[in-house]
Amino acid sequence: EPEVTQTPSHQVTQMGQEVILRCVPISNHLYFYWYRQILGQKVEFLVSFYNNEISEKSEIFDDQFSVERPDGSNFTLKIRSTKLEDSAMYFCASSAQTRIGTEAFFGQGTRLTVV
Amino acid sequence: AQKVTQAQTEISVVEKEDVTLDCVYETRDTTYYLFWYKQPPSGELVFLIRRNSFDEQNEISGRYSWNFQKSTSSFNFTITASQVVDSAVYFCALSEDYGGATNKLIFGTGTLLAVQP
Repeated sequence: EPEVTQTPSHQVTQMGQEVILRCVPISNHLYFYWYRQILGQKVEFLVSFYNNEISEKSEIFDDQFSVERPDGSNFTLKIRSTKLEDSAMYFCASSAQTRIGTEAFFGQGTRLTVV
Repeated sequence: AQKVTQAQTEISVVEKEDVTLDCVYETRDTTYYLFWYKQPPSGELVFLIRRNSFDEQNEISGRYSWNFQKSTSSFNFTITASQVVDSAVYFCALSEDYGGATNKLIFGTGTLLAVQP
């Protein structure tokens, strides 16, 4: 069964460092998302991406964040200068279309710990 | 404004008990979808069900059932004869049709279900 794959599963980084979280969406999907879950809290939408550009972003997704689809398979989230409060589980998701109700498939998540 | 409320932060039951997880939503739209996701201790998000705003029929899938009531803006989830493997955090989520370019999900805060043997 096709799945969304995220690497690494756990990343520890020092405050101020740049991190790149990687995702391989399901191959025939065209719409990609990043969500964040701070430990013990709800899952929050960060950004959606289609046709090589951001479709929508939340207030959380400030200038420190960027997304990219560098090739035909990877979808990355970059945090330029990490802060302690960026520590969270980051989920990548993809869907075949954006029509309302279309199921988004989530990856296993990357746990980012900023020290 | 769109919002999903899961008032129960934690529920603890003994195996074989039935348990209902509550979800109340707010939306400005007449067309929307509601979802339930399960997050086991391993951390991934597992899709359980999707329901559109025009279909208020209750749904049953094995030990799981869902009760959607537009009159009370609720989409409750019942597990019958709970098992230890049901222990997880359960999230209710909303997706609106507001003409936006995306299909983002708005999640509730989750309910931690602990099923004791």
